[in-house]
Amino acid sequence: ETGVTQTPRHLVMGMTNKKSLKCEQHLGHNAMYWYKQSAKKPLELMFVYSLEERVENNSVPSRFSPECPNSSHLFLHLHTLQPEDSALYLCASSQEQGARIGDTQYFGPGTRLTVL
Amino acid sequence: GNSVTQMEGPVTLSEEAFLTINCTYTATGYPSLFWYVQYPGEGLQLLLKATKADDKGSNKGFEATYRKETTSFHLEKGSVQVSDSAVYFCALSPNSGYALNFGKGTSLLVTP
Repeated sequence: ETGVTQTPRHLVMGMTNKKSLKCEQHLGHNAMYWYKQSAKKPLELMFVYSLEERVENNSVPSRFSPECPNSSHLFLHLHTLQPEDSALYLCASSQEQGARIGDTQYFGPGTRLTVL
Repeated sequence: GNSVTQMEGPVTLSEEAFLTINCTYTATGYPSLFWYVQYPGEGLQLLLKATKADDKGSNKGFEATYRKETTSFHLEKGSVQVSDSAVYFCALSPNSGYALNFGKGTSLLVTP
């Protein structure tokens, strides 16, 4: 099952472009996440939002700018990216707003980003 | 810090073979442990989880037991199918914070 959708599924952009990734969750969850998946590397947590408030930012460059207008939607705004930013960007959501043992994160299909 | 180590892939098996994918972890306290699976072109899906020592998670014929004494959470399946071909990720969730710490993933290919 997937209650988390992401658009677009594929994106090619130049280094001077501005684009946005969109994530929507239909699960009634309170927390949402952005992850970066690069080849040969573990998934990297980028941002966490809980009840529309950013609660964690793992030293992500400012060319990535998240936005969470409500608990169902999450955006990642991209500006002046580098070729090394090419990766699969995954959105996820979970039920609880705080730390909870065993809380499951549900993932979207991802956006495959290529920066030329 | 917290970390997860998985066996390197790719793993290639014939249909109906026995599968083991090793996973060990480093963490303080008592984390929860997960296996996620990623089929080609898709996002990650939760396969199974265990929240305390000696718990066994199971789903779709896959099993993993939370072994605190060996800090391991190895994934097993008695008889794999071609449809099990995917990338498998071991992950841990610490007692506090939001982050899931993932391993690098193990690619499994099952041939007819």
